[in-house]
Parts: sequence; structure tokens; C-alpha cells
Amino acid sequence: SQQGEEDPQALSIQEGENATMNCSYKTSINNLQWYRQNSGRGLVHLILIRSNEREKHSGRLRVTLDTSKKSSSLLITASRAADTASYFCATDTSGNTPLVFGKGTRLSVIA
Amino acid sequence: DAGVIQSPRHEVTEMGQEVTLRCKPISGHDYLFWYRQTMMRGLELLIYFNNNVPIDDSGMPEDRFSAKMPNASFSTLKIQPSEPRDSAVYFCASRGINEKLFFGSGTQLSVL
Repeated sequence: SQQGEEDPQALSIQEGENATMNCSYKTSINNLQWYRQNSGRGLVHLILIRSNEREKHSGRLRVTLDTSKKSSSLLITASRAADTASYFCATDTSGNTPLVFGKGTRLSVIA
Repeated sequence: DAGVIQSPRHEVTEMGQEVTLRCKPISGHDYLFWYRQTMMRGLELLIYFNNNVPIDDSGMPEDRFSAKMPNASFSTLKIQPSEPRDSAVYFCASRGINEKLFFGSGTQLSVL
């Protein structure tokens, strides 16, 4: 069963714009991770944020976590055509439990 | 390291045939996961292993599915007999101490 649910399901933006994707989840978490999947490929880890963290940055990526609302957002700044992919959030309830993935947001960045 | 290696990349088979998917995890990783991805259901966890031992197989759809990990560098997922509804992309992923999953490129399975 899906723990995380991404919103929107699909997003289309122009190159150079910022892209924001949201993730909501149902139960308490240990950490939340974001992954990217290019068409026909496996998922690639982008960033991990722990339940006691509120914000994290990695290059053009910014992730926020609000445990009171059980939600997270992924912001990609100054998007590029190469950012076109599906983005998934995933959560676990402890360090020893497997990740449960949402259904993803399909991002299209138009050059 | 070459990453997680899955084979075959594509598999087309007829209903009723046995299908075996293979995975080589990253050396030193102690967790191995099998996921299935479809448009309708997204990414579903089928089974996972810790130190070659199956921990949770509650995601395996039915008895037609079985998975083994005979050693730290190899795992198989077998479907016997296969059915058209098994058509999906099957991913293997491994994890070390830092909680990040590393995915293989997947096996695209089509059961006709």
C-alpha cells in the first residue's frame, strides 16, 4: 500500500522556472527520501530528510518536511530540460523497515 | 562498483511459462529488495532480504511468486506459472548502512 502520495500527478513547466512537488504521508516516519526516475530506468536517490529536520538543500534541490502536517515538498530551482523525469517520495517508519513509495509526479521541463 | 545489476533487461514470455529474474546487489550491501512497478499500482514492495535471509514476503502476490538469495551477491525472483497480469517492470534494489536505496535498471516483463 502507498504511504506517500505525491501532488500534482503531472507538472509541465518552462526551462528556467521552479518546480514544486508535494508529498503527503499517513503515519509517523523515521525519514523521508526523494527519488528520481528517468523513462525506462531505475530510481535514483536524490535527498534524504530525517524526521527531526525541517529543511535540506542539495544543489538546486530544496526539501522541506512538516511532520505536524505529515507532508514534504521538493523544490527544483532553475529547472532544465534534463530534469524531465518522474519524482517519488518514499518513507520508512524505522531504520530497519523498507521504504514505501508514492505513485510519483511526472515533471516535464520544456526547453 | 557497477551498481545493482539485473538481468534480463527485457523478457517476453507466454502465459504458463516460468520466468526467472536475476539480481546482483552492490558489494557490501546487506539489504536487498524486490519491487514491482505498474501504472495502476505504482511501485510495490514484493519481498526483502537482510543478510540473505527473507524478512518480509507479505507483498508477494501469490504462491506463483518465489524469491531466493543463496548468497550475498545473487538473488532471483521466480514466477511459475506466469500470467498476463504479471506484466510489469521488476526492480531490484540494495542498501547499505546509509539508508539510501540503489536500484537496478529493471526487468521489463511482458506475459502474452
